[in-house]
Amino acid sequence: GEDVEQSLFLSVREGDSSVINCTYTDSSSTYLYWYKQEPGAGLQLLTYIFSNMDMKQDQRLTVLLNKKDKHLSLRIADTQTGDSAIYFCAERDYGQNFVFGPGTRLSVLP
Amino acid sequence: NAGVTQTPKFQVLKTGQSMTLQCAQDMNHEYMSWYRQDPGMGLRLIHYSVGAGITDQGEVPNGYNVSRSTTEDFPLRLLSAAPSQTSVYFCASSPEGGGSPLHFGNGTRLTVT
Repeated sequence: GEDVEQSLFLSVREGDSSVINCTYTDSSSTYLYWYKQEPGAGLQLLTYIFSNMDMKQDQRLTVLLNKKDKHLSLRIADTQTGDSAIYFCAERDYGQNFVFGPGTRLSVLP
Repeated sequence: NAGVTQTPKFQVLKTGQSMTLQCAQDMNHEYMSWYRQDPGMGLRLIHYSVGAGITDQGEVPNGYNVSRSTTEDFPLRLLSAAPSQTSVYFCASSPEGGGSPLHFGNGTRLTVT
């Protein structure tokens, strides 16, 4: 079945860039998403990319998609303490359902 | 602008009890879904619905029932709670089709003792 994988933890220093990686298996994925979850809250959409795009930039966020390798990354420039959260990668196929990765817990150190 | 509203926020049940987690959205979304979140396992789909009167099973449906009598509401029923159902439950909705993302509620934290 479909599977989405992410590393579980990432620590960076405040002001550095963070890169969170994700791999997926479903070649029919049409859209790929990044969500952020802060403690005690639901998931908040950060950004998403259509599978025919290679890159999308939105302020401090850059999404890179390598469709051949089924690899998605989220780069956060100038990481701040407020960026500490769990980041989920997700894919959506033609069947409408979403498949989520296990989430990467980002810790930003002062 | 309420979005997706889940109630209650917290619940403690004893093994064998039943309860209903409520979910309502005011965005006229056709697609609604329930997920459970467990540490290190991401979100797993329990049940979903593509419109009123239509429901289907997700990855982990056992022990849960759903119904969709209106576009707005999508309750999740636990028939006989078990400790393995201790989790955080999220309801989410989306317009049907295209790349429309999921909109999430704030979750219900359920503990079964």
